[in-house]
Amino acid sequence: AQSVTQLGSHVSVSEGALVLLRCNYSSSVPPYLFWYVQYPNQGLQLLLKYTSAATLVKGINGFEAEFKKSETSFHLTKPSAHMSDAAEYFCAVTGGGADGLTFGKGTHLIIQP
Amino acid sequence: GAVVSQHPSWVICKSGTSVKIECRSLDFQATTMFWYRQFPKQSLMLMATSNEGSKATYEQGVEKDKFLINHASLTLSTLTVTSAHPEDSSFYICSARSGATDTQYFGPGTRLTVL
Repeated sequence: AQSVTQLGSHVSVSEGALVLLRCNYSSSVPPYLFWYVQYPNQGLQLLLKYTSAATLVKGINGFEAEFKKSETSFHLTKPSAHMSDAAEYFCAVTGGGADGLTFGKGTHLIIQP
Repeated sequence: GAVVSQHPSWVICKSGTSVKIECRSLDFQATTMFWYRQFPKQSLMLMATSNEGSKATYEQGVEKDKFLINHASLTLSTLTVTSAHPEDSSFYICSARSGATDTQYFGPGTRLTVL
């Protein structure tokens, strides 16, 4: 069984500041981990994924995440926030590629001008 | 690449009627598709896993007789909400798994409103 905890339902940062969205997971098997972004009334867009290769994963739009097994974490970061980054971000875990995803509750990212 | 479409994007229906939602992988074949449900300002909950040519696997608490899933081909899965009621109003999102990238790609979602 898998579970995901996203700390902070809302995160507010200034434009140009560092973005840090936290995700901790629990999995009984080696996990596949994902970050997705959702804009209002739209589906989910894949930002990046971890599938047991490099622990530092680079994604689209300048985002990256680091898999830390000892901390069971997969936090998402971006060095400099842009207004267009304002959206809902979901961390998700699965035990295998053919399994459904278990999502965290999401973090709403707010960018202050 | 890896585009998934859903149709319709939104639908309004009367209580007691049935609604069919289509999910298509446009540029890849998907042996496995998934259906999720998302309530306003909440996360996505997996409803069922759909494998081409076989019966869908439903998550605990999801009524298989209410939410009929058919995975007719490697690029098409359908979700039919039977005898819909207002509590079935939600945002339904499908995903299709690409075997080449071992990743789920999501459709744009279908907003169902039952009056």
